[in-house]
Amino acid sequence: GEDVEQSLFLSVREGDSSVINCTYTDSSSTYLYWYKQEPGAGLQLLTYIFSNMDMKQDQRLTVLLNKKDKHLSLRIADTQTGDSAIYFCAEGGGSYIPTFGRGTSLIVHP
Amino acid sequence: DSGVTQTPKHLITATGQRVTLRCSPRSGDLSVYWYQQSLDQGLQFLIQYYNGEERAKGNILERFSAQQFPDLHSELNLSSLELGDSALYFCASSGPGTAVGEQFFGPGTRLTVL
Repeated sequence: GEDVEQSLFLSVREGDSSVINCTYTDSSSTYLYWYKQEPGAGLQLLTYIFSNMDMKQDQRLTVLLNKKDKHLSLRIADTQTGDSAIYFCAEGGGSYIPTFGRGTSLIVHP
Repeated sequence: DSGVTQTPKHLITATGQRVTLRCSPRSGDLSVYWYQQSLDQGLQFLIQYYNGEERAKGNILERFSAQQFPDLHSELNLSSLELGDSALYFCASSGPGTAVGEQFFGPGTRLTVL
């Protein structure tokens, strides 16, 4: 199976909160990342969290990490149409080359 | 703008041909990574170079090769192309001062094999 799994699609209404979930398998992961890919562009690092943290907040973004369950989530508050993109979860193991999930396409309806 | 440049933006070629994709990393970054993004496989790590030397290898086919030059730009060579090689190819770079594992991605080269 895949090392990093995430659902492929999420549809939300503008102004609502979005929660994108991810599970990973490598318990030695030191860093967990969220990248964003806008149409026609490369991936851009949104935020990351150290494996010894439970939560990280950065403006409208909240990352929650449950290390026991190897579950990572990204919450986007007050989701805007400009947040429509593909969101990739990634985990960094010993090689420090992140393993990426397949990406979750977030669709924001006005 | 990530500071990573890739050329060409689009490439259309025929099966059996050979192409070269080019990447220039961010100023000061020593590591270059190549990824392949396709609908069925997602984002696959191909290979990493660090200061001219191969550092790590992922799911790179034998028909593919890469190198990093003294000026740190990198090229990915794809030969004996097949229809299934059609994909987006991304280059990323990293260097001192970035979080461990943080990479800066270029805009990608879209390869279409007909």
